[in-house]
Amino acid sequence: QKEVEQNSGPLSVPEGAIASLNCTYSDRGSQSFFWYRQYSGKSPELIMSIYSNGDKEDGRFTAQLNKASQYVSLLIRDSQPSDSATYLCAVNAWVDTGRRALTFGSGTRLQVQP
Amino acid sequence: DGGITQSPKYLFRKEGQNVTLSCEQNLNHDAMYWYRQDPGQGLRLIYYSQIVNDFQKGDIAEGYSVSREKKESFPLTVTSAQKNPTAFYLCASNQGQVGQPQHFGDGTRLSIL
Repeated sequence: QKEVEQNSGPLSVPEGAIASLNCTYSDRGSQSFFWYRQYSGKSPELIMSIYSNGDKEDGRFTAQLNKASQYVSLLIRDSQPSDSATYLCAVNAWVDTGRRALTFGSGTRLQVQP
Repeated sequence: DGGITQSPKYLFRKEGQNVTLSCEQNLNHDAMYWYRQDPGQGLRLIYYSQIVNDFQKGDIAEGYSVSREKKESFPLTVTSAQKNPTAFYLCASNQGQVGQPQHFGDGTRLSIL
């Protein structure tokens, strides 16, 4: 089982809709969760951090964390074509080499249709 | 402007050649990291360093080497022992405390000639 799992997509939504991106993780002790946006050919850019259960809102983005169910999600309201990118979930988790490390999912590709 | 600078942007390696990727940061961050990204995949950790003159292997260190002689600099050498070096290489940094996000440079794309 991978430490951090995401649906690879593509997730296609019409402009103006809400895009919902999901991520599950295996380490129950994880305390730090991040969403990065990566445009094609570019490096990841941090867009949200969340550390406690519940919702955290920043502009059109809302991160949701449920530690009991071990999932974290990202909602993008009023989706724009410029939101089309791959979204990487990252979790600070124990890895099999006996240390805690930022572990990335393989990303979900979002396509916003004009 | 504070940030992480990676160079070159594109690099080509010949058979049997070692190549070095540069990563410099002026954020006064203690920790630096090197990742490899293959098409359609997430990031895999190659090496990381939490303090000057110390570094640790990540998940895929074979065929790579690093040094950390200065706080600002963390160069990565892709040796000839790395038989499949074609990938997008990303350098990141943070203050090094558990739970902090990492911030990335613009990356170096390495290809085999």
